[in-house]
Amino acid sequence: EAQVTQNPRYLITVTGKKLTVTCSQNMNHEYMSWYRQDPGLGLRQIYYSMNVEVTDKGDVPEGYKVSRKEKRNFPLILESPSPNQTSLYFCASSRSWTYSTDTQYFGPGTRLTVL
Amino acid sequence: KQEVTQIPAALSVPEGENLVLNCSFTDSAIYNLQWFRQDPGKGLTSLLLIQSSQREQTSGRLNASLDKSSGRSTLYIAASQPGDSATYLCAVMGANNLFFGTGTRLTVIP
Repeated sequence: EAQVTQNPRYLITVTGKKLTVTCSQNMNHEYMSWYRQDPGLGLRQIYYSMNVEVTDKGDVPEGYKVSRKEKRNFPLILESPSPNQTSLYFCASSRSWTYSTDTQYFGPGTRLTVL
Repeated sequence: KQEVTQIPAALSVPEGENLVLNCSFTDSAIYNLQWFRQDPGKGLTSLLLIQSSQREQTSGRLNASLDKSSGRSTLYIAASQPGDSATYLCAVMGANNLFFGTGTRLTVIP
C-alpha cells in the first residue's frame, strides 16, 4: 500500500530534550516536506527536499533541522525543543515538484507537546 | 507572499443539501490548486487537483472550479451526507511550496 508513515504519532517531552520525528514513504517520491499545523494558522511549511541531499527552508524553519540521506526517509530533528514547538506535524511527499499534476500524499501526523 | 483564505470557517447543513466552499488566494502565479479533506486525528487526503490551465475538475459528487484571474476556487459538494463531515482545506502550489488556507469545518446533520 502506498503510504507515508510517521513515528511517533504522539510525543510528550520536556524543554531542551533533543528529539527526532521520522518520516518514510514507499512511493519512490523525490519531493518531501514537513508542515506544522496550529489552530488559526493553518499548515505552514517547515522544510522541504527536492531530492536526496537537497533540502531547503520553508516558511517556519527556526528550531528545526532535517536531513535527506535516502530517498525514502526525511526525519525532522528538534535539537532543543521549546513549548512554542508544541504542534501537530505532518510529513508529505509527491513524485516531484516539476509536474503540476502531482498530488501531495500526507502522513497521519505527529502530535508533539513540549512542556 | 501568497495568502489563502477560506470562508466560511465552519458550516452546518442538513443531509442531502448541496453546498459550496470558497477559497481565495492573493497571487495568481500558481501551478495548481488542490482541495484536501482532513478528518479529526488523521492526515490530509487529496480530493481534487486543478492545474493552473484548467477551469474545473470533478470526482463523484465533488466539483472544484478555478478562476485564476480573480484568485478564487470553489468546491461544490452535491447531495451532502453525514460522512462528508470533515475539515476541507484548499492549497495552492507555488514555486516550491504549498500554501494552505485555514480550512472550512463542515458538519452534515442527519
